Amino acid sequence: GAGVSQSPSNKVTEKGKDVELRCDPISGHTALYWYRQRLGQGLEFLIYFQGNSAPDKSGLPSDRFSAERTGESVSTLTIQRTQQEDSAVYLCASSPRVSPRAYEQYFGPGTRLTVT
Amino acid sequence: AQSVTQLDSHVSVSEGTPVLLRCNYSSSYSPSLFWYVQHPNKGLQLLLKYTSAATLVKGINGFEAEFKKSETSFHLTKPSAHMSDAAEYFCVVSDPPSNTGKLIFGQGTTLQVKP
Repeated sequence: GAGVSQSPSNKVTEKGKDVELRCDPISGHTALYWYRQRLGQGLEFLIYFQGNSAPDKSGLPSDRFSAERTGESVSTLTIQRTQQEDSAVYLCASSPRVSPRAYEQYFGPGTRLTVT
Repeated sequence: AQSVTQLDSHVSVSEGTPVLLRCNYSSSYSPSLFWYVQHPNKGLQLLLKYTSAATLVKGINGFEAEFKKSETSFHLTKPSAHMSDAAEYFCVVSDPPSNTGKLIFGQGTTLQVKP
């Protein structure tokens, strides 16, 4: 079946502009995560959505970052007034959160964001 | 708090020789541990996972890892390296699914395989 998809695959933007990144999770997956991967580093957790519960925003690095998810479908990550340190690959993952696969997360290909 | 430490940022082996990638973890819960692999310009792929069942876990492509609670380690091994194993490897601990289930990644180990 279809995996997690993300768009755009690449985004180049000027410092100070807003960007919006999109994630389409696997159908039926109730949990959705956003992570950021800076060059040469591991992934950093940003935000977590589970069904209709309040999202866990504890990983968002500043108030310029926000994310939304409609029900158990598409999610968008928005970065306002982008800065050069926002340059990274932004990865989305979804999870069924149902035993025995509750721990499994399926990653999208990522969006490579470059802020010039 | 939970964390993982990958003890080597770069490992170089010759094709056909054993691979050892080291990982130590810290967790206030009974941990769930994973190894992910990331090939250049490709997405993350789950190699194997430990979720409190057998302590020796077998994964894809001949990799395995052993959970050692006394040593707080979860090292990744493979008996014989192949050129296609060259990639970035991440040791990961999971927040419990009863909480958020978010993944906490190590900094990664680059595996180089020489012919």
